[in-house]
Amino acid sequence: EVQLVESGGGLVKPGGSLRLSCAASGFTFINYSMDWVRQAPGKGLEWVSSISSSGRYIYFADSVKGRFTISRDNAKNSVYLQMNSLRVDDTATYYCARIGSYGGYSWGQGTPVTVSS
Amino acid sequence: DIVMTQSPLSLPVTPGEPASISCRSSQSLLQRNGYNHLDWYLQKAGQSPQLLIYLGSNRASGVPDRFNGSGSGTDFTLRISRVEAEDVGIYYCMQALQTPYTFGQGTKLEIK
Repeated sequence: EVQLVESGGGLVKPGGSLRLSCAASGFTFINYSMDWVRQAPGKGLEWVSSISSSGRYIYFADSVKGRFTISRDNAKNSVYLQMNSLRVDDTATYYCARIGSYGGYSWGQGTPVTVSS
Repeated sequence: DIVMTQSPLSLPVTPGEPASISCRSSQSLLQRNGYNHLDWYLQKAGQSPQLLIYLGSNRASGVPDRFNGSGSGTDFTLRISRVEAEDVGIYYCMQALQTPYTFGQGTKLEIK
């Protein structure tokens, strides 16, 4: 069974930084690209970033480009989202997600991030 | 970016009755391999989204057969043959053809 466990969320001031982690288990991590998706309070879902299985290909939403970085450690079965220059509108629950071999996300439980002074 | 448009945004349904949600994309999600890169998710209150349908019409593991996805190209539909109380939540379509992956606005299904 695919398990994705996020951590690292919390309260941070505007302009601050936070690093989210996602620990994966139940599948061969090195074979899959990994994504981050976020959901602002009471709002819909927004794709944030993807990293390919090797880490060679990386993509970001325009809303976070230049401020967020994504990385992975295949030896630790983990993916990370480094968030810098955080803004109030980055406040959201951040989900780690894996696209299946034929499509469709498996999701973690999410970690909340609040950006507020 | 591909824009995803769902309708209706609110869907009150009587238990046992059918329900249907439409999802339209601003460009075709059909790849040359014949697959439509369109997924459906249900998010129940306080939970993470859960996958219902992938590649337009394939039911995910453990999803009841009352859920069916259909469509191709730019027009897709999620049908629930007989709504049950446990189907309450927000339904999202998502295109996974190209980044940025994009979601519909969500359709809130409630029981009458």
